[in-house]
Amino acid sequence: QKEVEQDPGPLSVPEGAIVSLNCTYSNSAFQYFMWYRQYSRKGPELLMYTYSSGNKEDGRFTAQVDKSSKYISLFIRDSQPSDSATYLCAMSGRSQGNLIFGKGTKLSVKP
Amino acid sequence: GAVVSQHPSWVICKSGTSVKIECRSLDFQATTMFWYRQFPKQSLMLMATSNEGSKATYEQGVEKDKFLINHASLTLSTLTVTSAHPEDSSFYICSARVGADRGNSPLHFGNGTRLTVT
Repeated sequence: QKEVEQDPGPLSVPEGAIVSLNCTYSNSAFQYFMWYRQYSRKGPELLMYTYSSGNKEDGRFTAQVDKSSKYISLFIRDSQPSDSATYLCAMSGRSQGNLIFGKGTKLSVKP
Repeated sequence: GAVVSQHPSWVICKSGTSVKIECRSLDFQATTMFWYRQFPKQSLMLMATSNEGSKATYEQGVEKDKFLINHASLTLSTLTVTSAHPEDSSFYICSARVGADRGNSPLHFGNGTRLTVT
């Protein structure tokens, strides 16, 4: 079992839809959870950063972490064509320098 | 926000030559930088951790003599792909943290370097 599992998609939704992206993980030591957005031929851009379980909201984006289920989610409300990108989940432990990434989910928002 | 600059953004080289990629932290000091590689439709795979003033730490399966890392200052790390082969063609991305190198601060990434070896 891989440390981080993420459905690669592709996921196609109409503009204005609510998008749900998810990752599961196996390492209970993970405490820090991130979502990155990566446009084609660009480096990942940090979208959301959360610690431990709970929710965090930033504009149209909401990140949820359920440590008991080892499951994290990113919700995008009122999705826009500009949201079309690959979304990567990433996580790390308290003393871990590097991040463990999911494979990324490719999202396409159709106008 | 923190900015990580990577150069060049793309490079094409002939098989057998060496290519150097630079990674700079523009508005903060980074004692540690991370080098990742990403193949098409794959996730980012950590290659090595670059430590300022000391040797880099390589992940299992990554040849340290092929991927030379130098972290000579608090704002610059370089990755040199030596004797490049077509199978080295990939997207190389560096990253760094603001502040202490612990899991409690996120990584910021450069825009990557697309290497094509012909």
